[in-house]
Amino acid sequence: DQQVKQNSPSLSVQEGRISILNCDYTNSMFDYFLWYKKYPAEGPTFLISISSIKDKNEDGRFTVFLNKSAKHLSLHIVPSQPGDSAVYFCAASALGSGAGSYQLTFGKGTKLSVIP
Amino acid sequence: KAGVTQTPRYLIKTRGQQVTLSCSPISGHRSVSWYQQTPGQGLQFLFEYFSETQRNKGNFPGRFSGRQFSNSRSEMNVSTLELGDSALYLCASKGLAVEQYFGPGTRLTVT
Repeated sequence: DQQVKQNSPSLSVQEGRISILNCDYTNSMFDYFLWYKKYPAEGPTFLISISSIKDKNEDGRFTVFLNKSAKHLSLHIVPSQPGDSAVYFCAASALGSGAGSYQLTFGKGTKLSVIP
Repeated sequence: KAGVTQTPRYLIKTRGQQVTLSCSPISGHRSVSWYQQTPGQGLQFLFEYFSETQRNKGNFPGRFSGRQFSNSRSEMNVSTLELGDSALYLCASKGLAVEQYFGPGTRLTVT
């Protein structure tokens, strides 16, 4: 049962335009949502997060929107740059089984290609 | 601040062998988590260690184990390797904030 879903395996966007990456989740207990970017042969790099009590968080060119009623979040990148080409993972955090433990559940990723 | 380091970066093993992977977290981070990444399953949580204790475990068989040392460095061990264990193994460290910071990973190939 996939609790975090990224339904688009790939996305192509022209340089300078907006990239919108989407993520859906099923578990109401998730309290934080995070986006990571991953280049080949590297580990994921943390981009931005949002608490479940907020509906928007912005950091430079990156904005994450959360719609709790729809159990949906999205990452907007404006303007898109060729260096943004990577795989983007959505992740959700919830208390794990051990005291103080937070476990991340990841979607399967969306490959973003920004065309110059 | 130095990032998360993992050794070795690449490893080739034969079925039935065992393997040990190492991870050094960001200085000051006491939580270390391990993930397996495969093309079909994406990133899957293996386990988390905090102050030398395993405090969370994913749905993997007992062949996968780990430990953490007093300096927060962590190792994971896979015994009796199977072909399906071929994957990128990622270590992530965490401080007080919710985000985890990942190392570059160890690419394990089982032949």
